[in-house]
Amino acid sequence: NAGVTQTPKFRILKIGQSMTLQCTQDMNHNYMYWYRQDPGMGLKLIYYSVGAGITDKGEVPNGYNVSRSTTEDFPLRLELAAPSQTSVYFCASSYSIGGTDTGELFFGEGSRLTVL
Amino acid sequence: GQSLEQPSEVTAVEGAIVQINCTYQTSGFYGLSWYQQHDGGAPTFLSYNALDGLEETGRFSSFLSRSDSYGYLLLQELQMKDSASYFCAVIGSYNTDKLIFGTGTRLQVFP
Repeated sequence: NAGVTQTPKFRILKIGQSMTLQCTQDMNHNYMYWYRQDPGMGLKLIYYSVGAGITDKGEVPNGYNVSRSTTEDFPLRLELAAPSQTSVYFCASSYSIGGTDTGELFFGEGSRLTVL
Repeated sequence: GQSLEQPSEVTAVEGAIVQINCTYQTSGFYGLSWYQQHDGGAPTFLSYNALDGLEETGRFSSFLSRSDSYGYLLLQELQMKDSASYFCAVIGSYNTDKLIFGTGTRLQVFP
């Protein structure tokens, strides 16, 4: 199994440009997440989805958009990139959340984005 | 809202035992998880406490006390490869479905 796959791994953007970070998982997980991690900091939740067609905002959603048309894919769209969006972006998925399940998140390898 | 606080850095020597604390403020949650992240890598799952008490997984143990709003990760027989950042995370609250991470603790293990 490939697990969670993110593309691209690295990208440099100019201020004002737009781009989409792709994320796909082959584990048939319902839950998918996008986090950003600034250098030396923790992970901040941008958006998450509990299933196809359902998305919701996390802690830091401004400047981003998501969609979830299929169970497998959860792309993150950056509109009008700003230097403050320079970060490492992690996509993650899980089978379920809460209850007796561990809620283990499986992470992709990350996408390193620089906005100049 | 939810917030989880951790010490920013901990240092120890090989073979020692180290405890990384996590204090939280949240209205309710399913459980407390711990993740490890090496420099340049992705977080990987270590352990999960749904109930109060100690959970042991090899050299690592994790503890949760809901009444004290407190948990910790205990690493025994430290090895150089344990040098990494460690994050506690709260699995949602009773009416949301999201994992919120703590501030993270950087562990440095010295020979």
